[in-house]
Amino acid sequence: ETGVTQSPTHLIKTRGQQVTLRCSSQSGHNTVSWYQQALGQGPQFIFQYYREEENGRGNFPPRFSGLQFPNYSSELNVNALELDDSALYLCASSLTSASTDTQYFGPGTRLTVL
Amino acid sequence: DQQVKQNSPSLSVQEGRISILNCDYTNSMFDYFLWYKKYPAEGPTFLISISSIKDKNEDGRFTVFLNKSAKHLSLHIVPSQPGDSAVYFCAARWSGGSNYKLTFGKGTLLTVNP
Repeated sequence: ETGVTQSPTHLIKTRGQQVTLRCSSQSGHNTVSWYQQALGQGPQFIFQYYREEENGRGNFPPRFSGLQFPNYSSELNVNALELDDSALYLCASSLTSASTDTQYFGPGTRLTVL
Repeated sequence: DQQVKQNSPSLSVQEGRISILNCDYTNSMFDYFLWYKKYPAEGPTFLISISSIKDKNEDGRFTVFLNKSAKHLSLHIVPSQPGDSAVYFCAARWSGGSNYKLTFGKGTLLTVNP
């Protein structure tokens, strides 16, 4: 069974640029959640996708957007990058969106905005 | 507004002794609590969870205690091993929501000394 994978591992961008981060969910999982972990903080919920539809959103501006594909892999897009967007971006997959399902995390993408 | 708080940024214990990690929460809607462990360059790994209908859950060396009246939970690791050295995140969620986003604390760095 393949775990959650994310790409790229590291990324450096400049202010104002756009970035796309990718996540492949664990086999059989149809729900993907994205989190931002700033330095010294716990992960913060960005949004969740269930069967290709957004299924809830945290307190992040619209320049954070996402997609989920028919194979349940997912993308996180961030437009007009700001310095404060520098963080570790984690995706987590779960079997379904049911509240009893455990979320399994990928290793994350480290984004640095200069 | 931090709804899940881990007030100890770090904890150091000797191998073989007990490690106690603490977590407080403010949102009384939370009804499910989880502990995740995170090694450097890896995503958080699910460790153990507890539902609000219980006050204790045990899995091998790991036990989580929940005190609802105090809105406090703790993770006990007995006996502690050097391989337990990691950042431990407490997380909470509300099962009645449309999605079950996890709200994380800032984490506690546990160091187990040989």
